[in-house]
Amino acid sequence: QQQVKQSPQSLIVQKGGISIINCAYENTAFDYFPWYQQFPGKGPALLIAIRPDVSEKKEGRFTISFNKSAKQFSLHIMDSQPGDSATYFCAASKGNAGKSTFGDGTTLTVKP
Amino acid sequence: GAVVSQHPSRVICKSGTSVKIECRSLDFQATTMFWYRQFPKQSLMLMATSNEGSKATYEQGVEKDKFLINHASLTLSTLTVTSAHPEDSSFYICSAREGAGIGTQYFGPGTRLTVL
Repeated sequence: QQQVKQSPQSLIVQKGGISIINCAYENTAFDYFPWYQQFPGKGPALLIAIRPDVSEKKEGRFTISFNKSAKQFSLHIMDSQPGDSATYFCAASKGNAGKSTFGDGTTLTVKP
Repeated sequence: GAVVSQHPSRVICKSGTSVKIECRSLDFQATTMFWYRQFPKQSLMLMATSNEGSKATYEQGVEKDKFLINHASLTLSTLTVTSAHPEDSSFYICSAREGAGIGTQYFGPGTRLTVL
């Protein structure tokens, strides 16, 4: 059973457009939802994260929207740039265990 | 943000040899570190959770005698791939969790292991 489902698998967006990546989770005990950005041959880098007590968090061009009742959260990248082209992973973790369950990843390509 | 380093970044070895990968948290103390394996164009697969001063907790299907993990200090964890074989070739990534309870995970840059 896949606990975190991510979609789409790949996404192509024009420069300046909005990129939207969605994740859905199963386990209601999850209480920390980060997004990671990974470039080829590099480790993932934390982009932005949210906890279930808020419905939205914005940092620069990146926004997480969180819907607790639907058990869904999404990443919005505003004014997408070619430099944003990377693989994005959503994740979820619970409590003190700390280990994260990752989505399968979304490969984003931003065309100039 | 916090920095996690890995060494080496790339290693090529012969089948049957052992390889050690180091993971260090450079500017924070990490009571918990995680080791992941990632195949091309796939997600991260958690191999084990490493707690300082205690035995690592391995995920189901991961051979603990094959992948030896030592977390000797609050800033260093090592993964040793023993008697490596070509199927062990992969991208190995560590992460370190900052703080107790719900803490942010910071990832290392990864180590590309190629076993000939």
